[in-house]
Amino acid sequence: QEHLVESGGGLAKPGGSLRLSCTASGFTFSDYYINWIRQVPGKGLEWVSYIGGSSRTIYYRDSVKGRFIVSRDNNKRAVYLQMNNLRVEDTATYYCARDSGFGEGMDVWGQGTTVAVSS
Amino acid sequence: AIQLTQSPASLSAAVGDRVIITCRASRGIDRDLAWYQQKPGKSPNLLIYGASSLKSGVPSRFSGRGSGTEFTLTISGLQPEDFATYFCHQFNTYPLTFGGGTEVEI
Repeated sequence: QEHLVESGGGLAKPGGSLRLSCTASGFTFSDYYINWIRQVPGKGLEWVSYIGGSSRTIYYRDSVKGRFIVSRDNNKRAVYLQMNNLRVEDTATYYCARDSGFGEGMDVWGQGTTVAVSS
Repeated sequence: AIQLTQSPASLSAAVGDRVIITCRASRGIDRDLAWYQQKPGKSPNLLIYGASSLKSGVPSRFSGRGSGTEFTLTISGLQPEDFATYFCHQFNTYPLTFGGGTEVEI
């Protein structure tokens, strides 16, 4: 079965850092783009970052540029989101989701990991 | 960024009803639109991609239409397990964006 599992969430102070991981199983990991999407409880979905299969293409939403860094290790079947200089407004559940890049949407999502930023 | 406006924000319906949710894009996105269902405490689940293609395993009572700036998700014959929140999503242009969601309640 095709799975993504996030980890690394927790409580951080404003200005602090956290590193999220997204680990894949059950499919050829390097064939897929990975997106990070976040959701404040009870609110909508907000795209955060994208990384291509070979890491050559990376995108971020403006509010996290310069603070978040996305990377991947295809040998470990993992994508990472290094979150630095955290802000209260980064508090959310963070999901990773795969995308084939062929216009088929994000068809496999992880269960999410919760990030809380508070003093 | 391309804005997606979903309507209605919420609706009440009964089992067996036909439900239509609309998603309007602030500029043309061809057919680069997907629909997701999300239940409380769960991650989103892809229903439709490419505006009208049903993901394998998704019941045929779900259907999508549209192109350009106007899209709809129709649930024909609402089932108890369909009570959830639905989001549209455009993947035409980065930053990727989502609609605000439509909560379908009993």
